[in-house]
Amino acid sequence: AQSVSQHNHHVILSEAASLELGCNYSYGGTVNLFWYVQYPGQHLQLLLKYFSGDPLVKGIKGFEAEFIKSKFSFNLRKPSVQWSDTAEYFCAGNNAGNMLTFGGGTRLMVKP
Amino acid sequence: NAGVTQTPKFQVLKTGQSMTLQCAQDMNHEYMSWYRQDPGMGLRLIHYSVGAGITDQGEVPNGYNVSRSTTEDFPLRLLSAAPSQTSVYFCASSYSSGRDEQFFGPGTRLTVL
Repeated sequence: AQSVSQHNHHVILSEAASLELGCNYSYGGTVNLFWYVQYPGQHLQLLLKYFSGDPLVKGIKGFEAEFIKSKFSFNLRKPSVQWSDTAEYFCAGNNAGNMLTFGGGTRLMVKP
Repeated sequence: NAGVTQTPKFQVLKTGQSMTLQCAQDMNHEYMSWYRQDPGMGLRLIHYSVGAGITDQGEVPNGYNVSRSTTEDFPLRLLSAAPSQTSVYFCASSYSSGRDEQFFGPGTRLTVL
């Protein structure tokens, strides 16, 4: 079955540390990939997405993600995290107009 | 624009009770969906609709019904609530199911006793 997996369930970082959250997918063919973020008490919102072109995608709030087809990965990165980045992050994907599948989420806590 | 709205925000039910979670969007999106969010499991698709009058099952449809009589509204019905349905429910909408961003509602936290 097509799926998206996130290997880090909980991540704790200090402010200014660099962040990389892993995401792997199992779709064949053309794939659309997304990262969503859920800040405490808020609804999910889109950070960035990839469907073609430059495999390095830049999103809001300084986040970026790199699509590596050979590794079936779409990892999220940020060079220097802030306390306000504390949130739950979800990777999601689909292909050929099929339904969006979400990973299990990664809870990030940034210590001030 | 209000975006995607959901009511109620919180609900407590007893086993066997039925209820309807409401979802509405004012962005004229064709595609709407319902997810449940459980710890460590991400969001799982319950039902979705690609337009008024068209609905289909997602990954975890058992125990839930939907209908889509208008473009704006997509209610989710729990037929006979069970403790396993305790979860946070999110409604989302988008222009399509492919590359477009999904816009999420604020969620409904449901507890079934």
